[in-house]
Amino acid sequence: KAGVTQTPRYLIKTRGQQVTLSCSPISGHRSVSWYQQTPGQGLQFLFEYFSETQRNKGNFPGRFSGRQFSNSRSEMNVSTLELGDSALYLCASSLDGWTDGWGIGTEAFFGQGTRLTVV
Amino acid sequence: KNEVEQSPQNLTAQEGEFITINCSYSVGISALHWLQQHPGGGIVSLFMLSSGKKKHGRLIATINIQEKHSSLHITASHPRDSAVYICAVLTYNNNDMRFGAGTRLTVKP
Repeated sequence: KAGVTQTPRYLIKTRGQQVTLSCSPISGHRSVSWYQQTPGQGLQFLFEYFSETQRNKGNFPGRFSGRQFSNSRSEMNVSTLELGDSALYLCASSLDGWTDGWGIGTEAFFGQGTRLTVV
Repeated sequence: KNEVEQSPQNLTAQEGEFITINCSYSVGISALHWLQQHPGGGIVSLFMLSSGKKKHGRLIATINIQEKHSSLHITASHPRDSAVYICAVLTYNNNDMRFGAGTRLTVKP
């Protein structure tokens, strides 16, 4: 069974540019959630999509957006990149939504992440 | 200061020992989750708490809403418990998830 695939794995962008990251969930999973991980801030929740609808959203500026397609693949877009956006961006795939009240045994599978460097 | 603080950052124990991992938070929450992340990256939800205490096998989680503190206990620890344990809270006002930095637990045989 294929795992969660994130592309690209590494990306270097210039301040002011925009970037789109992709996440392909495990087959049959309907939920994709996105996270930013930095050494200073740790893991931070960006948003979750479930059946093409944004189900939950973290506390990030509007420059961070996402969408989910009918095949559950999800994309995350960051516009007007800032140096502080340099981070590892992780997506997680789960059968059901898990960020707004999930219980014991709900499992989310994380991709390897996309390491974004903004210069 | 991080809104969700975990302690300790790293913990090494001998098999069979009783383990406690702590989580303190400074925001109003609607729920607190304990997660387990193994080296392979998969994350499992262990508990979701909004009050009191829950038990699942050798795992016990407690929360004190007034003191804004939660603990995860593992009884009779085993090497397979070795993982990173992460405390995550769902904030009350805007349904935002905030994560602790994680506690890396190593249980030696």
